[in-house]
Amino acid sequence: NAGVIQTPRHKVTGKGQEATLWCEPISGHSAVFWYRQTIVQGLEFLTYFRNQAPIDDSGMPKERFSAQMPNQSHSTLKIQSTQPQDSAVYLCASSLDKGKVFFGKGTRLTVV
Amino acid sequence: GQQVQQSPASLVLQEGENAELQCNFSTSLNSMQWFYQRPEGSLVSLFYNPSGTKQSGRLTSTTVIKERRSSLHISSSQITDSGTYLCAMENTNAYKVIFGKGTHLHVLP
Repeated sequence: NAGVIQTPRHKVTGKGQEATLWCEPISGHSAVFWYRQTIVQGLEFLTYFRNQAPIDDSGMPKERFSAQMPNQSHSTLKIQSTQPQDSAVYLCASSLDKGKVFFGKGTRLTVV
Repeated sequence: GQQVQQSPASLVLQEGENAELQCNFSTSLNSMQWFYQRPEGSLVSLFYNPSGTKQSGRLTSTTVIKERRSSLHISSSQITDSGTYLCAMENTNAYKVIFGKGTHLHVLP
């Protein structure tokens, strides 16, 4: 069990470019979560999927951010027209239907 | 408002001292979990503790659902315990996991 896998570990984008972050949940886990962590805000919930269906995206910025889960083995978080304030560590997590949540190592996004 | 309140926000201890970290919830919850975040950022699950008391080595977690609180006790702290401790709740209605802002622990030699 390799755990939750996130790629890339680090990404640097220029202002206005698009960034796509990838997450492979633990096999068999039905819930996939995305979080963003900054020093100021701490760990913020963005969105989550259950059995690939989007359940709650209340934490997602309304513009430029989107998340998909096309199959049970991966999810993507896409940020269009990245801005410096998008710089953060983006964390993906998965869990069984209810229960212990396992995190990936995160993707550190830097927008310059 | 903030659904998960952690206290203290930061804590400095001398090696060997004990620590008590608190987590309070403003809504009803299904379960809660304690995490340790390493300096490089990765999150390690310490306890999945929906209720009652669990112990692992020098760490003890106690959750009292009715009182909407959980605590993490670290006994005989070590320098390597330094880092950020986060509690997270899965609330009853939304089943999403919400985090507190963490307690930053610094253990001095």
